Amino acid sequence: DVKVTQSSRYLVKRTGEKVFLECVQDMDHENMFWYRQDPGLGLRLIYFSYDVKMKEKGDIPEGYSVSREKKERFSLILESASTNQTSMYLCASSSTWGRRVWFFGPGTRLTVL
Amino acid sequence: AQKVTQAQTEISVVEKEDVTLDCVYETRDTTYYLFWYKQPPSGELVFLIRRNSFDEQNEISGRYSWNFQKSTSSFNFTITASQVVDSAVYFCALSEKTGANSKLTFGKGITLSVRP
Repeated sequence: DVKVTQSSRYLVKRTGEKVFLECVQDMDHENMFWYRQDPGLGLRLIYFSYDVKMKEKGDIPEGYSVSREKKERFSLILESASTNQTSMYLCASSSTWGRRVWFFGPGTRLTVL
Repeated sequence: AQKVTQAQTEISVVEKEDVTLDCVYETRDTTYYLFWYKQPPSGELVFLIRRNSFDEQNEISGRYSWNFQKSTSSFNFTITASQVVDSAVYFCALSEKTGANSKLTFGKGITLSVRP
């Protein structure tokens, strides 16, 4: 079975803290993505990466950065967390070739107090 | 830019009713892919179907069926004889490019509640 895992299901942080959300996929996919999901807004793309050490801004990159040092791992970083970053964060991966489907992790529900 | 519109936000039906979830998309590309995902209460998005722009054949999978019409830029999803387990948020999504740096753009989702 294909697998995308995220380091935490629930996370509570304080305003101003640096937050790391980790995502790992075991499918040897080239592409990885970070989305945030908010009620009434659906899923919005924060950043994505189509290769190791490569990154592209999505639709809402402000306040976030990413790191992809290894093919299987894609990290989302909140340099200084703020309350408006309280959300559900979903990681996904997909292959560049063949039948292209996005596979999602279980999500991390982040609360910033 | 690509865009997906799911005009319905919440739908409530009684078990065994049929229900159709609407999806309208916008794209300038001639090659694109459409998706439906299901998000049950557990939170993980589950892939349901992928359809490319050259294949307008309708698809049926058990109680699920999809109607793709390029003329109206729609990709609607019908659940026949709904069940309580169908209760979830359903997302329609669009991908324009086929190679690297292709992005998946989602609609805002439709919350389906199936009552016993």
